[in-house]
Amino acid sequence: EVQLVESGGALVQPGGSLRLSCVASEFTFSAFWMNWVRQAPGKGLEWVASIKQDGSDKYYVDSVKGRFTISRDNAKNSLYLQMNSLRAEDTATYYCARGRNIEDYWGQGTLVTVSS
Amino acid sequence: DVHMTQSPSSLSASVGDRVTITCRASQSIRNFLAWYQQKPGKAPKRLIYAASSLQSGVPSRFSGSASGTEFTLTISSLQPEDFATYYCLQHNSYPYTFGQGTKLEIK
Repeated sequence: EVQLVESGGALVQPGGSLRLSCVASEFTFSAFWMNWVRQAPGKGLEWVASIKQDGSDKYYVDSVKGRFTISRDNAKNSLYLQMNSLRAEDTATYYCARGRNIEDYWGQGTLVTVSS
Repeated sequence: DVHMTQSPSSLSASVGDRVTITCRASQSIRNFLAWYQQKPGKAPKRLIYAASSLQSGVPSRFSGSASGTEFTLTISSLQPEDFATYYCLQHNSYPYTFGQGTKLEIK
């Protein structure tokens, strides 16, 4: 069964940094685009970033450009989101999701709280 | 950027009702539109892809349609497990954008 498991969420102060991870299993990770999608508490879904199979193409929502970096390690079946200069408005549950079309495989999410 | 306008934002309905949720794109997105269902505390679940194709394992009471830049999700006969929040997503161009969501509640 396809699995995506996120980790790394935590309480962090404004201006701080955090690195999220998503480990994939039971599919050929290197064959798929991967994405991060977030959801602020009680709010809707927001696409954050996407990365091509080999990491050569990356896309970001404007609000995180220059602060967040999406990356992957295909040898470790892992997706990452390096988040710097965190703001209160980055507080959300972060999901990783498979596929260029954001298919039907999502992780369970990891909560990032930015607060002093 | 493509803006997705989803309506209504909330909807009260009864078991057995037929309901329709609409998303309108600010520009052409061809058929690169998906619908998701989300229940509290859970990850979203894709119901429809390519505007009108039913995701494997999703009941046939769910259907999607498109007319130009207007996309519709229809639930033909609501079941108790359908009360949830629904989102559309355009993935024609980056940045991908979701609709604001429709919370479907029991009347």
